[in-house]
Amino acid sequence: EDKVVQSPLSLVVHEGDTVTLNCSYEVTNFRSLLWYKQEKKAPTFLFMLTSSGIEKKSGRLSSILDKKELSSILNITATQTGDSAIYLCAVTAAGTASKLTFGTGTRLQVTL
Amino acid sequence: DAGVIQSPRHEVTEMGQEVTLRCKPISGHNSLFWYRQTMMRGLELLIYFNNNVPIDDSGMPEDRFSAKMPNASFSTLKIQPSEPRDSAVYFCASSWQGSGSQKETQYFGPGTRLLVL
Repeated sequence: EDKVVQSPLSLVVHEGDTVTLNCSYEVTNFRSLLWYKQEKKAPTFLFMLTSSGIEKKSGRLSSILDKKELSSILNITATQTGDSAIYLCAVTAAGTASKLTFGTGTRLQVTL
Repeated sequence: DAGVIQSPRHEVTEMGQEVTLRCKPISGHNSLFWYRQTMMRGLELLIYFNNNVPIDDSGMPEDRFSAKMPNASFSTLKIQPSEPRDSAVYFCASSWQGSGSQKETQYFGPGTRLLVL
């Protein structure tokens, strides 16, 4: 059974801090890893990673995949209170269409 | 684009009642997914459809749950009879299966918050 583990489970930081969220996975025939941000409502897509070592960046957020270590990190620099959310990591496997297996998420709270 | 539309947004019902959740995927998307989210178990895939055909329903908890997709623009998730442990947020998501690097990107609806008393 495919498995995704995220750490830490929750995190409280001060505005301006840099945070690193971790995601590790066990999946047969790995195809891609995705990061989502969930505030009060539905998860919204952040990044999709398929190749090791290639950083994806969007503003203050960046992410990289390490297929050797079966893991990914999501970095947020200069955090803002608007970054407070649950960050979800998910993986897909070849041959399973778009089926996503999610981790339980990291709850990030950014305080003033 | 209107995004994925779900109804109702909130549902409160009594144990034993039938509950029907509805979803309209993004126009042009050919894959549809139903998820359930709870504090204890996180986001779990219940079932997904590709071109209106159920592909994997291994996540459906038990026979009380059923899902249909009669056409490309509508799907339902039904719980009959409902139980208090079914209380959760149910999300519908859709994606486009085809060539291109973003085909795994699923777009989520706002969710239906279900409370079974």
